Amino acid sequence: DGGITQSPKYLFRKEGQNVTLSCEQNLNHDAMYWYRQDPGQGLRLIYYSQIVNDFQKGDIAEGYSVSREKKESFPLTVTSAQKNPTAFYLCASSRGANTGELFFGEGSRLTVL
Amino acid sequence: GQSLEQPSEVTAVEGAIVQINCTYQTSGFYGLSWYQQHDGGAPTFLSYNALDGLEETGRFSSFLSRSDSYGYLLLQELQMKDSASYFCAAPPWGTYKYIFGTGTRLKVLA
Repeated sequence: DGGITQSPKYLFRKEGQNVTLSCEQNLNHDAMYWYRQDPGQGLRLIYYSQIVNDFQKGDIAEGYSVSREKKESFPLTVTSAQKNPTAFYLCASSRGANTGELFFGEGSRLTVL
Repeated sequence: GQSLEQPSEVTAVEGAIVQINCTYQTSGFYGLSWYQQHDGGAPTFLSYNALDGLEETGRFSSFLSRSDSYGYLLLQELQMKDSASYFCAAPPWGTYKYIFGTGTRLKVLA
């Protein structure tokens, strides 16, 4: 089955540690995205990538980093510079900007202890 | 800036019809999408309007008017399982940067 796989589903981290969230898709989509969602809030864009080896900052990129070395993979690193990293992180992909549809993974819930 | 505004909460009874509005401030975009998200889950795609007018998909319909900077999602024959958050979303012209609206929490009462 085609889709997006995020791992881990739950992650606990101590303050000051970097953590990397995995996102893999087998939909052959060019574009991939990372969103952050806080409880009761909307989705805020962290980073997005339109093609391999290229990515752009979203609205809340500070304290995060990404790479896009392969079409299928778009990992997100939450660095120690992110002051309030506890949140629900969602990865998504799309065929393009004019298709209207984003496909989401199940999300990764990060808690900083 | 670019923003999409939605009412924070809407309440309706089973079997009723409810409309969730989305007003936007952006110079232009490809089209307006709608997503449903249940608590603890990921958003799922509901509908997309590339052109002005009404799009119907089963119990759900979506409408877009670019001249009025306005769109809405219409849910008919409400069911308890429709209780969820609903988001509009749009990528501005020339970018893949999908921006999401503020979200509307729908409560369906028995």
